[in-house]
Amino acid sequence: QTVVTQEPSLTVSPGGTVTLTCASSTGPVTTGYHTNWFQKKPGQAPRTLIYSTSNKHSWTPARFSGSLLGGKSALTLSGVRPEDEADYYCLLYSSDGWVFGGGTKLTVL
Amino acid sequence: QVQLVQSGAEVKKPGASVKVSCEASGYSFTSYVLHWVRQAPGQRLEWMGWIFTDSGDIRYSQRFQDRITITRDTSASTTYMELRSLRSEDTALYFCAREKMGGAWDYWGQGTLVIVSS
Repeated sequence: QTVVTQEPSLTVSPGGTVTLTCASSTGPVTTGYHTNWFQKKPGQAPRTLIYSTSNKHSWTPARFSGSLLGGKSALTLSGVRPEDEADYYCLLYSSDGWVFGGGTKLTVL
Repeated sequence: QVQLVQSGAEVKKPGASVKVSCEASGYSFTSYVLHWVRQAPGQRLEWMGWIFTDSGDIRYSQRFQDRITITRDTSASTTYMELRSLRSEDTALYFCAREKMGGAWDYWGQGTLVIVSS
């Protein structure tokens, strides 16, 4: 069974840059995993930020970007704002179907 | 505009079943895959299964394989998720979400709270 691992928590200062990563237990993450990234705030539905590794939706702020980095998927936030404080989840496609990571709690402090 | 509107909150007893609906509007229903995802309190998001709305093909997560059924009614642009043999650990927010085939998830329903309690 595929296990997807993210940093449990990260802290960043307003205006700073932070990178969240997403690793698969089956090996290096490639574009074939079709990574999606979601922002989740309490009491709200998830919001899709990135699809297919690096593509943005029309509503995705420019400060969010997706990439592959050292065998993992990565979500980079540049020029972080207080409203970016949230949980962030990656989602990978595998032989087990779709598998979510454990989520990263991002604190803006 | 694209909308996925889910049915209202449910309270069920252990051992019962629940059926949650997700009505799509603002786009061609059969052009997208629909997924079901849940989040229990304090837990991660968890993928439950998908349905190809054109063909009706389904895939379930192994974790729910034995007690989940996902269906769709194309005339009503609605997908349904039924979960059986409910236990307290199934207390969660249940979401539907849309995917353009090829891996592009986009819109989500507002979520349906299911509480399992005796």
